[in-house]
Amino acid sequence: AQRVTQPEKLLSVFKGAPVELKCNYSYSGSPELFWYVQYSRQRLQLLLRHISRESIKGFTADLNKGETSFHLKKPFAQEEDSAMYYCAFGGSNYQLIWGAGTKLIIKP
Amino acid sequence: DVKVTQSSRYLVKRTGEKVFLECVQDMDHENMFWYRQDPGLGLRLIYFSYDVKMKEKGDIPEGYSVSREKKERFSLILESASTNQTSMYLCASRSFTRGDNEQFFGPGTRLTVL
Repeated sequence: AQRVTQPEKLLSVFKGAPVELKCNYSYSGSPELFWYVQYSRQRLQLLLRHISRESIKGFTADLNKGETSFHLKKPFAQEEDSAMYYCAFGGSNYQLIWGAGTKLIIKP
Repeated sequence: DVKVTQSSRYLVKRTGEKVFLECVQDMDHENMFWYRQDPGLGLRLIYFSYDVKMKEKGDIPEGYSVSREKKERFSLILESASTNQTSMYLCASRSFTRGDNEQFFGPGTRLTVL
């Protein structure tokens, strides 16, 4: 079955420390992977997608097909990165399959 | 810039009431979605619509129905609200013609059923 796993419900790191939000997927085809972010009292919005291979707000994510992972990384966390992060992938039927989300807290 | 709007940010209803949640998008997107967002459960798909007058059940359709009479509007209906439907409801849209799976979200409606 198609599934996205985000193993951490909560991740707390100090400002300036590296951040890695984990995402694993189960899908036999070529997935289209996304990271979405939801800041407090704001709408869910796209952070980045694996196709574009760009860095947004200092975040990057590399698709590792061997490990079926798409972990989100940032070398130096900032307080404004505190938010809810969701990993999702697009399967074959135009829907997105969502992970349960990771709440990231950046401590000052 | 895609705009997806939802009729209410906060809604309080009583058990047994019929509840309508409205969603409007202004980018001529073919596909629209309704999700529930609950802590620890992520986003769960309730219903989606490929196009006008088309609808498909998602993962948790029980207790809900939808209506898509116009392309820009997708309504979620709780026929008889129950306390376990207290949740954040998110609407999203997607362009079928653009060919990728990116979805654009509304601000959400936080529904409380008493």
